[in-house]
Amino acid sequence: QQQVKQSPQSLIVQKGGISIINCAYENTAFDYFPWYQQFPGKGPALLIAIRPDVSEKKEGRFTISFNKSAKQFSLHIMDSQPGDSATYFCAATPQTGANNLFFGTGTRLTVIP
Amino acid sequence: KAGVTQTPRYLIKTRGQQVTLSCSPISGHRSVSWYQQTPGQGLQFLFEYFSETQRNKGNFPGRFSGRQFSNSRSEMNVSTLELGDSALYLCASSILQGGGELFFGEGSRLTVL
Repeated sequence: QQQVKQSPQSLIVQKGGISIINCAYENTAFDYFPWYQQFPGKGPALLIAIRPDVSEKKEGRFTISFNKSAKQFSLHIMDSQPGDSATYFCAATPQTGANNLFFGTGTRLTVIP
Repeated sequence: KAGVTQTPRYLIKTRGQQVTLSCSPISGHRSVSWYQQTPGQGLQFLFEYFSETQRNKGNFPGRFSGRQFSNSRSEMNVSTLELGDSALYLCASSILQGGGELFFGEGSRLTVL
């Protein structure tokens, strides 16, 4: 049972465009929602994270939008660049728990020059 | 500051054999968690250790085991290898016990023939 559902599976965006990746969860105990970026041959690296006491968090070109009532959160990449081409994973975990992340299935983003 | 180091990076085993993977966390990080990454199942949590104690375990058979040493280095072992164990095994360290940033290594790619 996939505890975090992620879509789309793949995404192609023109340079300068906006990339949007969506995730949804069911477990109301989740209260820490990170996004990880993974390049081929590398391990995932934390991109940005949000806790449910805020509805949006922005770091540079990356923004997380969080809808607690709908149990959904999304990643927006503004002004997408070819260097953003990677696989993105959303994740969720209980903040008070162990470092046990439940990952989405990943979105392969390709930014076309 | 050195990142998370995993060894070996690549290995090939045959069915029925066992394998031991090693992980050296970032200096000062006492939490080490392990994840299995496959194209079909994505990233799945195996287990987490903090101060030599297993704090949480994912839904994997008992063939998968791990341990952590007093210097925070960790090993995971898979016994009686099956073809389906072929995967990238990722180790992540964190300074926090939960809800914090995970720093991933580049992984150990296991192929079972």
